[in-house]
Amino acid sequence: QVQLVESGGGVVQPGRSLRLSCAASGFTFSTYVMHWVRQAPGKGLEWVAVISYDGGNRYFADSVKGRFSISRDNSKNTMYLQMNSLRAEDTAVYYCAGSTRWIPNMVLDDWGQGTLVTVSS
Amino acid sequence: QSALTQPASVSGSPGQSITISCTGTISDVGGYNYVSWYQQHPGRAPKLMIYGVSNRPSGVSNRFSGSKSGNTASLTISGLQAEDEADYYCSSYTSGNTLVIFGGGTKLTVL
Repeated sequence: QVQLVESGGGVVQPGRSLRLSCAASGFTFSTYVMHWVRQAPGKGLEWVAVISYDGGNRYFADSVKGRFSISRDNSKNTMYLQMNSLRAEDTAVYYCAGSTRWIPNMVLDDWGQGTLVTVSS
Repeated sequence: QSALTQPASVSGSPGQSITISCTGTISDVGGYNYVSWYQQHPGRAPKLMIYGVSNRPSGVSNRFSGSKSGNTASLTISGLQAEDEADYYCSSYTSGNTLVIFGGGTKLTVL
């Protein structure tokens, strides 16, 4: 069965960087499009970024464009989210999610359990 | 880009049916048949319930159904059960800068 496990969350000061990882198992990772979605405490879901099957195409929400980058290593079955210039409003649980479908069919079939990022001085 | 519009809360009694609406624009809900619905219980990850407006993934109860008319999509849950109490989010592909847009979420209370 599909399993997605996020890691790398924690407390970080404003302006600093953090890298999240999403380890995949139970399926052929290279056949999945991978997303990051976040949820601020007590708030709704916000889509963050997506990376294509081979990593050749990447898209970002306006709120993180220029500060966050997304990558994947299909040989390690792992996706990453590099977060730079972090702000208090980036505080959230970050979920990785996967799907076999690409644009425009942006469906998030499978989800990890999330990792909490807290940006605070 | 504004989130899709959902009611903040809905409620129903066991056995009844409820409908949650999700209103967008021609750039998202109204322009494409790529609306999905997710269920989220407190402290848990979201779960896909409906995709492509009205399709159910394997394993999702047929008590859940989706539809769309114009710029508004809807999720209907029939035969309400206590376990259906959760937050529900719609999402859509959008031709705007952000590829995926979510609704603000609807809290379903089973009375």
